[in-house]
Amino acid sequence: GAGVSQSPRYKVAKRGQDVALRCDPISGHVSLFWYQQALGQGPEFLTYFQNEAQLDKSGLPSDRFFAERPEGSVSTLKIQRTQQEDSAVYLCASSLQQKNSPLHFGNGTRLTVT
Amino acid sequence: AQSVTQLDSQVPVFEEAPVELRCNYSSSVSVYLFWYVQYPNQGLQLLLKYLSGSTLVKGINGFEAEFNKSQTSFHLRKPSVHISDTAEYFCAVSAVIQGAQKLVFGQGTRLTINP
Repeated sequence: GAGVSQSPRYKVAKRGQDVALRCDPISGHVSLFWYQQALGQGPEFLTYFQNEAQLDKSGLPSDRFFAERPEGSVSTLKIQRTQQEDSAVYLCASSLQQKNSPLHFGNGTRLTVT
Repeated sequence: AQSVTQLDSQVPVFEEAPVELRCNYSSSVSVYLFWYVQYPNQGLQLLLKYLSGSTLVKGINGFEAEFNKSQTSFHLRKPSVHISDTAEYFCAVSAVIQGAQKLVFGQGTRLTINP
């Protein structure tokens, strides 16, 4: 398909485990965002890439969270030593470079930490 | 800094009735405003956006919103809802950083349509 693809759709991790969440943006989209959506809440910004450069990581909640986009296309959000408060839906979005370009969201990865 | 307040966490309405979902924002700079819809277990889909120009914006699925600068509001309306409109609706304001939009979302309003 032509949309933003995220995998896995669901992930259950035991507390303390590391997880890696993948995002395949729309081909040609320069900008890539990660958002965290807790249950019953709106999405909250985590980090932003322009091509392979991570230009803003102000929303990452702790140093256990790490994101990369080494070749400027696929991105991975890694969470080390997961905690229960990390349980949320992690949404990826991509857009063209132009400032009026809309964000296209993936269906998200639902992470449950037990 | 930008922020968004959605005044109603849940809005139940009957099918074919009109609906208004309220959104107020705060920003120290010019803003772009958006409404997104989220169906269960799905990502967010853009309903409509205000960038500039006419304050009445029309979007998909028969929705529209009106930008009111003096009241710092961007309420979403639909004259007649359908069962398929049952979803979570998010208002968002954006700031342009490094050439791209960084969205700040409200808490969401759950719209439930009753037959």
